Amino acid sequence: GENVEQHPSTLSVQEGDSAVIKCTYSDSASNYFPWYKQELGKRPQLIIDIRSNVGEKKDQRIAVTLNKTAKHFSLHITETQPEDSAVYFCAASTGTASKLTFGTGTRLQVTL
Amino acid sequence: NAGVTQTPKFQVLKTGQSMTLQCAQDMNHNSMYWYRQDPGMGLRLIYYSASEGTTDKGEVPNGYNVSRLNKREFSLRLESAAPSQTSVYFCASSEEWGSPLHFGNGTRLTVT
Repeated sequence: GENVEQHPSTLSVQEGDSAVIKCTYSDSASNYFPWYKQELGKRPQLIIDIRSNVGEKKDQRIAVTLNKTAKHFSLHITETQPEDSAVYFCAASTGTASKLTFGTGTRLQVTL
Repeated sequence: NAGVTQTPKFQVLKTGQSMTLQCAQDMNHNSMYWYRQDPGMGLRLIYYSASEGTTDKGEVPNGYNVSRLNKREFSLRLESAAPSQTSVYFCASSEEWGSPLHFGNGTRLTVT
């Protein structure tokens, strides 16, 4: 089955800096890659997703890039703010034929 | 529009006790899921229901059973709770199997 590895497990950045979280996946058939943000004590919420027919997607300060050849995808957050502090999960699936497999999460801390 | 509603929010059980976690969604989604979240292990799929009338095992189904009562409701039952089942449980739904997930607020379960 699919295996998703996520790095780093913790990340601390200063407010205004950029943050990058990386994930690798094992199943070359995977074609759907969402990112979820989970604030402390809250539920995971989808923040951005990308499908394999595009290499990059942006939504304001967040962007996701996908390299299908290398089987890795990354979340980029620019101009970080304290409210970006949370745990971020990547996931991968082969779409309607398969379940989502989650990475183990990255705890992002944005310091003032 | 409540989205995905889970009950209870907190529960403490003694080893061997049974209980049912309830989940309901009002988004007319076809697919529903139960995940558990443990520190450092991300979100792991317990059971899912791709559509009304069907249920299937996920990654960690042992010790659990599910019922898709109707299109709205998907319950998770622990017949004989064990300390290893201490976790945070999230119910989720999606329009169809493999679509973006919408999570409930979670149930924090402690088994002593």
